[in-house]
Amino acid sequence: DTGVSQDPRHKITKRGQNVTFRCDPISEHNRLYWYRQTLGQGPEFLTYFQNEAQLEKSRLLSDRFSAERPKGSFSTLEIQRTEQGDSAMYLCASSISPGRTSGNTIYFGEGSWLTVV
Amino acid sequence: RKEVEQDPGPFNVPEGATVAFNCTYSNSASQSFFWYRQDCRKEPKLLMSVYSSGNEDGRFTAQLNRASQYISLLIRDSKLSDSATYLCVVNRGNTGFQKLVFGTGTRLLVSP
Repeated sequence: DTGVSQDPRHKITKRGQNVTFRCDPISEHNRLYWYRQTLGQGPEFLTYFQNEAQLEKSRLLSDRFSAERPKGSFSTLEIQRTEQGDSAMYLCASSISPGRTSGNTIYFGEGSWLTVV
Repeated sequence: RKEVEQDPGPFNVPEGATVAFNCTYSNSASQSFFWYRQDCRKEPKLLMSVYSSGNEDGRFTAQLNRASQYISLLIRDSKLSDSATYLCVVNRGNTGFQKLVFGTGTRLLVSP
């Protein structure tokens, strides 16, 4: 499978614990995005990387959230001191710069489901 | 007010019916427009891009009205497999990247 890969797919954690999600984008995709989706809502933008640079962060990304993409390939999203309101599906997506043969379609991974109890 | 507004539904239709979804967006600087499909507990998948001239892909027709900031999706000859949530999406990003803003989605249920 050469799509966007996310791990773990499901995580149940106690309030106050830290969690980390990993995303492996489609090979050669230089752009990587994190979105969050809660029940009954559409996905909401969290942050964007071009290669290793984090170029934009949403105000939704509080101080407890940090995302990295150290080598411009895979990315991690860490949530510290989790709260019940963090329960959601965390979606990673990737795309390639416009002008390349693949166009700039965004491809989503299957998501990482977080439940904070 | 949400930046992208959609009727959440559900729309219950019989197989073979024609169904139309609409959405409105508030940011006139939005660059491009899409419909995504999302199955229950799955990731969103691009259904089609939306252009002012209107575009068709098989049984699906999408239309954009920039003046009214209105986007539509028409599904003809509905199939059971069309049951899903349809997300209206606008791209607010600049040429540097895509910043997709999603509506809450419209749920479609196609019954035999």
